[in-house]
Amino acid sequence: DQQVKQNSPSLSVQEGRISILNCDYTNSMFDYFLWYKKYPAEGPTFLISISSIKDKNEDGRFTVFLNKSAKHLSLHIVPSQPGDSAVYFCAASGAADFNKFYFGSGTKLNVKP
Amino acid sequence: DSGVTQTPKHLITATGQRVTLRCSPRSGDLSVYWYQQSLDQGLQFLIHYYNGEERAKGNILERFSAQQFPDLHSELNLSSLELGDSALYFCASSAGTGGPDTQYFGPGTRLTVL
Repeated sequence: DQQVKQNSPSLSVQEGRISILNCDYTNSMFDYFLWYKKYPAEGPTFLISISSIKDKNEDGRFTVFLNKSAKHLSLHIVPSQPGDSAVYFCAASGAADFNKFYFGSGTKLNVKP
Repeated sequence: DSGVTQTPKHLITATGQRVTLRCSPRSGDLSVYWYQQSLDQGLQFLIHYYNGEERAKGNILERFSAQQFPDLHSELNLSSLELGDSALYFCASSAGTGGPDTQYFGPGTRLTVL
């Protein structure tokens, strides 16, 4: 049973535009969420996180939004750059075991020059 | 470079065999996690060790086992291998501060079972 879902396997955007990656979760006990970026032949790299006490967290070009009532989070990248082309995973954990993360299946972002 | 090392990078073996994957965490990190990524799937959490002790188990098969040694490196043992065990296996480490930690991932070991 997939508790974290990324329903878009791929996304293509033009350089300079906004990329919006979406993630849904089913477990209402999740209270900590992260986004990881993965390039081919490398391990995932931490990008940004948010706890359930917030609805937005911003770090440079990357902003994560959390909608607890909808059990939905999104990652916005503005402006998108070709170097952002990678697979993006969202992950979630709950207070019961905050270091046990559940990952989505990933969205492959392609930023076209 | 995350500072997490995994060996070997690639492993090809036959069904029924046993393999050992090795992970060295970042300097100072006490927690080690193992994940499995099958084709087109997300990362499936397998197991978490903190300072030598097992802390959490995910969907880890009984044929799989892991341990963390006193020097904090970890090994994941996979036995009676099946074709479906072919996957990327990632190790991650974190400081183990007691709260949600950022996990730093190694480059992974690609296991192919023929």
